[in-house]
Amino acid sequence: GAVVSQHPSWVICKSGTSVKIECRSLDFQATTMFWYRQFPKQSLMLMATSNEGSKATYEQGVEKDKFLINHASLTLSTLTVTSAHPEDSSFYICSARAPWGGGGQPQHFGDGTRLSIL
Amino acid sequence: SQQGEEDPQALSIQEGENATMNCSYKTSINNLQWYRQNSGRGLVHLILIRSNEREKHSGRLRVTLDTSKKSSSLLITASRAADTASYFCAAQTNRDDKIIFGKGTRLHILP
Repeated sequence: GAVVSQHPSWVICKSGTSVKIECRSLDFQATTMFWYRQFPKQSLMLMATSNEGSKATYEQGVEKDKFLINHASLTLSTLTVTSAHPEDSSFYICSARAPWGGGGQPQHFGDGTRLSIL
Repeated sequence: SQQGEEDPQALSIQEGENATMNCSYKTSINNLQWYRQNSGRGLVHLILIRSNEREKHSGRLRVTLDTSKKSSSLLITASRAADTASYFCAAQTNRDDKIIFGKGTRLHILP
């Protein structure tokens, strides 16, 4: 089955640091990937849609200059949290949809990245 | 804003009993999916039901979809301790293929 790998799984860093999270589709090409954010005991909130070769589409209320998304290849999207602050601490999850099988396919999720800003 | 609303928010049942979780959504959908998440982990896809389907089974899982009421339910039969997790419904919208998650149900199976 389709596999999405997310790295790192856990990062702790000082306030003001920029942190890059990678999302890779290992056995399929993903023209579109999605980035979600999840606070403890809450649901996933869609942050942005990452489109290969073009600009990401951000959801309302998500700062594009704060959360930089780059989708430079068909198997890799990156999310960079710039100048991170404690309020950016959260669980970040990416997903990608496999292209086979026509419409209505499930998304495949990475295992998430727990970001803790001190 | 999130489209899905789930109830109950939390559910504790005895092992062996059936667990039912409900989900409602707001707009037209392509399909509705159910995911499971163990604490601090990523999501695992459980089952997908298309908008033209009414019921689907997969092992101990049974999902129903009522597009007229914009609602879905997930039934887990003969629950096991290992079923303890959070369960989310996720509606894939017709308009832009985005997947919007419900608030989730925290299921706790008591031994």
